Amino acid sequence: SQQGEEDPQALSIQEGENATMNCSYKTSINNLQWYRQNSGRGLVHLILIRSNEREKHSGRLRVTLDTSKKSSSLLITASRAADTASYFCATDGGYQKVTFGTGTKLQVIP
Amino acid sequence: DTEVTQTPKHLVMGMTNKKSLKCEQHMGHRAMYWYKQKAKKPPELMFVYSYEKLSINESVPSRFSPECPNSSLLNLHLHALQPEDSALYLCASSQDTYEQYFGPGTRLTVT
Repeated sequence: SQQGEEDPQALSIQEGENATMNCSYKTSINNLQWYRQNSGRGLVHLILIRSNEREKHSGRLRVTLDTSKKSSSLLITASRAADTASYFCATDGGYQKVTFGTGTKLQVIP
Repeated sequence: DTEVTQTPKHLVMGMTNKKSLKCEQHMGHRAMYWYKQKAKKPPELMFVYSYEKLSINESVPSRFSPECPNSSLLNLHLHALQPEDSALYLCASSQDTYEQYFGPGTRLTVT
């Protein structure tokens, strides 16, 4: 089974609103990453947060990590139609091996 | 150049065919990956090559045969596939930071 479970499975918001998606995982990790995938295409790396970090920012993205709860969240502020995509968390299962979560499908309505 | 290229973009093959998927990167990355992704599911790791040697095989059936001819190229040879092998096949590469760069994928249909 996947390491990460994400919720919600799907999210629909208006342009300009914030989008928050959550990831829960089962075992200890060294780092957690978030990726974006546009429909039927390759994944794009968004951000990596290490296990000793609690929060990280990149542009309109804010990621938090709570290792005690084994959970992470991705916040996209001031969403745009171009943010419409599926978002996956990915946890490391050892050197060079990552396991992807179930994903959140985000739709941003113009 | 931060691009990973994959060819072909689409492939339709019969169950008795032999075909190959190709992946190329010129970022100097020493790890390369094959993933399989079914519709509405996350990518599932198949193989990892590190320094041109197979380091991880996630118990993939032998009808999938990976090959890494050099540090920039990764192939996936396909033979006697089943219809359930139809999926998007993604290639990725990375250095040591775990951040992976993905290609656009090959959409494979097995008839």
